[in-house]
Amino acid sequence: GAGVSQSPSNKVTEKGKDVELRCDPISGHTALYWYRQSLGQGLEFLIYFQGNSAPDKSGLPSDRFSAERTGGSVSTLTIQRTQQEDSAVYLCASSLVLAGGNSPLHFGNGTRLTVT
Amino acid sequence: AQSVSQHNHHVILSEAASLELGCNYSYGGTVNLFWYVQYPGQHLQLLLKYFSGDPLVKGIKGFEAEFIKSKFSFNLRKPSVQWSDTAEYFCAVNQGYGGATNKLIFGTGTLLAVQP
Repeated sequence: GAGVSQSPSNKVTEKGKDVELRCDPISGHTALYWYRQSLGQGLEFLIYFQGNSAPDKSGLPSDRFSAERTGGSVSTLTIQRTQQEDSAVYLCASSLVLAGGNSPLHFGNGTRLTVT
Repeated sequence: AQSVSQHNHHVILSEAASLELGCNYSYGGTVNLFWYVQYPGQHLQLLLKYFSGDPLVKGIKGFEAEFIKSKFSFNLRKPSVQWSDTAEYFCAVNQGYGGATNKLIFGTGTLLAVQP
């Protein structure tokens, strides 16, 4: 079946511009995650949506970053006034929500953002 | 707050050598533990997971990991590595049964290079 889809796969933008990154999770997955992968930094947690609960935004690095999830499905990560340090691969993942929390994450291929 | 430490950032081995990658986490409650792998040019995928029962868990491709609660550790092992194991390996943790959130926290990753 279809996996997690992210678009665009690559984005080059000028410093100061806004960008929007899109994630289509696996159908039926109520949990959705955004991570940022930078060289030497591993996977940095950004934000987590679980069903209709308020999202966990504790990982967003600044108020230039925001995300929404419409209709419990598609999610958009927005970065305003991009800076060069925002350059990274932005990964989206989705999962089922089980009581024990042990459902594995399914990752997309990511969006490689380059800020010039 | 939960955190995950991977002490080996870059490991180089010859084929048939044994592998052990360290992972320590900080969280006092019940946890689920995961190892994910990212092969060159591919998306992240689950290697194995622990959530209850036998602390020695076996995953795909001959990998195994042992959960030692007293040491807050979940080290990954493989008796004999192959060139195709060249990849980046990530340890991750979230709260187990009864936890307030499924949010998954990753370590910084270990880049394994296996020389033929």
